[in-house]
Amino acid sequence: DAGVIQSPRHEVTEMGQEVTLRCKPISGHNSLFWYRQTMMRGLELLIYFNNNVPIDDSGMPEDRFSAKMPNASFSTLKIQPSEPRDSAVYFCASSFTGGFYEQYFGPGTRLTVT
Amino acid sequence: AQSVTQLDSQVPVFEEAPVELRCNYSSSVSVYLFWYVQYPNQGLQLLLKYLSGSTLVESINGFEAEFNKSQTSFHLRKPSVHISDTAEYFCAVRTGGGFKTIFGAGTRLFVKA
Repeated sequence: DAGVIQSPRHEVTEMGQEVTLRCKPISGHNSLFWYRQTMMRGLELLIYFNNNVPIDDSGMPEDRFSAKMPNASFSTLKIQPSEPRDSAVYFCASSFTGGFYEQYFGPGTRLTVT
Repeated sequence: AQSVTQLDSQVPVFEEAPVELRCNYSSSVSVYLFWYVQYPNQGLQLLLKYLSGSTLVESINGFEAEFNKSQTSFHLRKPSVHISDTAEYFCAVRTGGGFKTIFGAGTRLFVKA
C-alpha cells in the first residue's frame, strides 16, 4: 500500500494567493482528517470526513479555509486568500472506522506564505 | 469531554539510559489509547495502541506502555534508548463510538551520546 499521499510536499506562495492542498487516503479507509502543525500551536484538527461527508469543521480557523471530499479517494484543503499566519505543515490522515481507529498520516505539505 | 495531557514538553536523556514519557487522559467512557511518533520532517506514525485486554502493550522497537485505568494514565517507557529514538512523541485517545482522536501536545525526546 502506498500510504496516504499528499501533494505538493512544499508550497511557497505570496499573501493573497489561493492555495490548494491535496490528499489521497489509503484505499478502503472511510475517514479522513486534515491537521495543521505549528511550533506555537502544535497539532490542530481542522476538519474530518466520514464516508465523504464532513462531520466536524469546528477546527477550521476562518472562512478563508474550505475542504472538500468529492469521492472516497480524494480530498482538498483550500485557503483563499492566504496569509502569512497560515504558514504551517498541513497533514492529511485516514482511518477505517470498522477497525481499530488508528490514523495513518501522510508526509505533510509545508506551506510558506510570504 | 476528552482531553490528553503530556506532562513533559521536552525530555533529554543519555543514550542507553531508561526513559518514561508521561501521559494522562480524561474521559467518562471507555477509550482506545495510542502513542504516535514523529521523526523530523515526517508525518506521525503509530507506535503502539491499547484497545482492550492486557494493560501492557509493546512496540516492535522496544517501547512499552501501560494502561492504568485508576490513574487514567498511559505512560510510555523504554529501558534503553538509542540516538535514533530522538523524535516527538504524541499520546492520543479515542472513544469507542467517536470518529475523532484527541492528541496531546507532544513530548520531544532528545537522546544524547
